[in-house]
Amino acid sequence: AQKITQTQPGMFVQEKEAVTLDCTYDTSDPSYGLFWYKQPSSGEMIFLIYQGSYDQQNATEGRYSLNFQKARKSANLVISASQLGDSAMYFCAMREGRGFKTIFGAGTRLFVKA
Amino acid sequence: GAVVSQHPSWVICKSGTSVKIECRSLDFQATTMFWYRQFPKQSLMLMATSNEGSKATYEQGVEKDKFLINHASLTLSTLTVTSAHPEDSSFYICSASWEGNKDTQYFGPGTRLTVL
Repeated sequence: AQKITQTQPGMFVQEKEAVTLDCTYDTSDPSYGLFWYKQPSSGEMIFLIYQGSYDQQNATEGRYSLNFQKARKSANLVISASQLGDSAMYFCAMREGRGFKTIFGAGTRLFVKA
Repeated sequence: GAVVSQHPSWVICKSGTSVKIECRSLDFQATTMFWYRQFPKQSLMLMATSNEGSKATYEQGVEKDKFLINHASLTLSTLTVTSAHPEDSSFYICSASWEGNKDTQYFGPGTRLTVL
């Protein structure tokens, strides 16, 4: 069965510094996709970044990068140059195989300090 | 990017009444829509997956007679909470995708349901 684990319930980072949010996953399917979403207090889910299991390079989207370590089954999100607007809940998610079904981790709440 | 809307954004109802929540894909045809439920400070839990024109597939533990899902067109899916009770109070979020783009789900803004 697929599983997503986020072990950091909360994280603090100083404005303009980088922060890493941890995510580990477990699946027996060689084909899968990994996602990170941001959920601000308004509740909307904002897609940040995607990494496919067969992608050779780590995904990057602006200030977001995904540190994909396949052997360790980890997909950590790195946010560079944190901004106050980055304060939100962050969810790691995985889609397994050829299906659409996506499961989400418990989430990490990020607090950016001025 | 693709836009998904939900209506209403919040609703308060009396116990025993039914509530319908709409999820629309505004600028694309959504072959598949998903309904999630999120309790305060918790993660998203998938309730069901619906494909246009067919019956929804419910996750284990989700009462299909209580949470009626209809995906009548490629741009509209509805979730009806029947005979709502206070324990049904939650944040309901839909998302949509299409066959050629499984890499991304486009989420609606969510609907906050409060049952008194």
